[in-house]
Amino acid sequence: GEDVEQSLFLSVREGDSSVINCTYTDSSSTYLYWYKQEPGAGLQLLTYIFSNMDMKQDQRLTVLLNKKDKHLSLRIADTQTGDSAIYFCAETQGTGANNLFFGTGTRLTVIP
Amino acid sequence: NAGVMQNPRHLVRRRGQEARLRCSPMKGHSHVYWYRQLPEEGLKFMVYLQKENIIDESGMPKERFSAEFPKEGPSILRIQQVVRGDSAAYFCASSPRRTSGNTGELFFGEGSRLTVL
Repeated sequence: GEDVEQSLFLSVREGDSSVINCTYTDSSSTYLYWYKQEPGAGLQLLTYIFSNMDMKQDQRLTVLLNKKDKHLSLRIADTQTGDSAIYFCAETQGTGANNLFFGTGTRLTVIP
Repeated sequence: NAGVMQNPRHLVRRRGQEARLRCSPMKGHSHVYWYRQLPEEGLKFMVYLQKENIIDESGMPKERFSAEFPKEGPSILRIQQVVRGDSAAYFCASSPRRTSGNTGELFFGEGSRLTVL
């Protein structure tokens, strides 16, 4: 079955880089995603990466995918207090998936 | 240009009562997904529906929980005879198509937070 794992908490100082890690088990994942959940709100898609890519950069966000180790990471450069949120890694399950499977989320706290 | 609308945002029920959570998908979206987020846990898939059809309910508890998405009106997640363990945030998401084979972006509502006393 599928299993997506993340560490629960991460604290960084404002201006530093944050790196949030995720491991998954389904080797047939086609897309992997990062969602952001701000307090009291629903999830919003931050970025996604196709499984045949190693890296994707989008402004302050860099996604790295190590398909061999089934490891996904999200790097946030110059972290701001507004980046404080819960970040969820998610994957599609195989080629016939009709839903996403989420990790437990990493709560990022940015210290001013 | 409304997004996914969920109501109520907060619901308090006593043990044994019924809870009904509603979700109106984004305009033009015919696929609806319900997820449950227990305290300090991640989102867990519950059920995937298209108009008038349940496509995948593999994440739904076998008893007391049901979902529908009628031809007209919102999708409804119904929990009968609630227990304290049902206290959670219930998120609805919608998409214009099945998530397989494309970027799979789901559009989430703000969630309905159920508290069972």
